[in-house]
Amino acid sequence: DIQMTQSPSSVSASVGDRVTITCRASQGINGWLAWYQQKPGKAPKLLISAALTLQSGVPSRFSGSGSGTDYTLTISSLQPEDFATYYCQQAYSFLLTFGGGTKVEVK
Amino acid sequence: EVQLVESGGGLVQPGGSLRLSCAASGFIFSNFWMSWVRQAPGKGLEWVASIKGDGSETYYVDSVTGRLTISRDNAKNSLYLQMNSLRGEDTALYYCARVIGRYLDNWGRGTLVTVSS
Repeated sequence: DIQMTQSPSSVSASVGDRVTITCRASQGINGWLAWYQQKPGKAPKLLISAALTLQSGVPSRFSGSGSGTDYTLTISSLQPEDFATYYCQQAYSFLLTFGGGTKVEVK
Repeated sequence: EVQLVESGGGLVQPGGSLRLSCAASGFIFSNFWMSWVRQAPGKGLEWVASIKGDGSETYYVDSVTGRLTISRDNAKNSLYLQMNSLRGEDTALYYCARVIGRYLDNWGRGTLVTVSS
């Protein structure tokens, strides 16, 4: 199975900060990567698919990049509603796997 | 509007069984792969199983193979997860999700399964 390693596991930031979360796959996944946002008590929400394709309605401050085994989610200017936990997920294999999550907390 | 509503969770003893259901609406159910994803209390997301639109292909995470079975009834727009030989580590909130290109684009609110004596 493909293992997904996310870092950091948590980050403290302030409104307006630029936040970067990374995800590393145990093998190349050819851009088959998604990012999800989950707020407490809510279901996850798909933000980005295919490593860089923003889903409809997702603010443009979110962006994704990467290739091969290494991928990045960037929030260019953190907003109050962005404090949440973020997960990456590889879609290269039918056996889907998620990263461990990154909690974005108030500094 | 896509809607996914899970049901069937509850408290079950170790070794017991449970059947989860997910009622889908707002899209042509048979055209889409569907998945179950779980989240143990305070933990991250774990994909459990996926099933093709016509039910002809299924995939499972290793830890549930042989104990959990994903199925669907396209006539009823419903997804199921039959859970047998349940263990404490199966305790989690179980989400059903619609799949597009192996991405999970719509999720239900989840149903809680607690395995405890």
